[in-house]
Amino acid sequence: NAGVMQNPRHLVRRRGQEARLRCSPMKGHSHVYWYRQLPEEGLKFMVYLQKENIIDESGMPKERFSAEFPKEGPSILRIQQVVRGDSAAYFCASSPLDQGAYYGYTFGSGTRLTVV
Amino acid sequence: AQTVTQSQPEMSVQEAETVTLSCTYDTSENNYYLFWYKQPPSRQMILVIRQEAYKQQNATENRFSVNFQKAAKSFSLKISDSQLGDTAMYFCASRGGQKLVFGQGTRLTINP
Repeated sequence: NAGVMQNPRHLVRRRGQEARLRCSPMKGHSHVYWYRQLPEEGLKFMVYLQKENIIDESGMPKERFSAEFPKEGPSILRIQQVVRGDSAAYFCASSPLDQGAYYGYTFGSGTRLTVV
Repeated sequence: AQTVTQSQPEMSVQEAETVTLSCTYDTSENNYYLFWYKQPPSRQMILVIRQEAYKQQNATENRFSVNFQKAAKSFSLKISDSQLGDTAMYFCASRGGQKLVFGQGTRLTINP
């Protein structure tokens, strides 16, 4: 089992460009979560998705950020027109159906986004 | 709303010593779970230990154990016989429903 796979591991974008972060959940996991970690801070919830559905996006900024988890392929976190304040580590996590609360998710290694 | 507070930004102990990391939380959920995660320099989030709130018995995992005080909403992590590989950021987290809420973290350094 390859675990939760995130790519790229590092991403550098110039201000105004788009950033696309990808996450492949563990095999058999149908729930995907995205978290953001600013330097020297804990992780902050952004969005929770199941296949083809956004369940909770209460942590997503209202503009420029979007997420999807299509029927086929990885989950994508998309940031349009990036600004320096978007620089952070973005973590994806996955959990099995109905067991996430107990297992507390499996995390990927994160994507570090740097906006220059 | 859930909140998690870690009041110790940094801690440092000698190898083989015992260290306790503090965590307090607040939640309106009746059924919830508490976790400690370790984040080494590699950035990987590693689950250290979990506790179901409805269980009175404190969870243990080898050298790691918790002191869960439900009435006080306290959830501390004890690391016994600390090792150099325990050096990392440690995050306390609470989960009710589908979201994990994290504390600010404690940077733990184990000195040789």
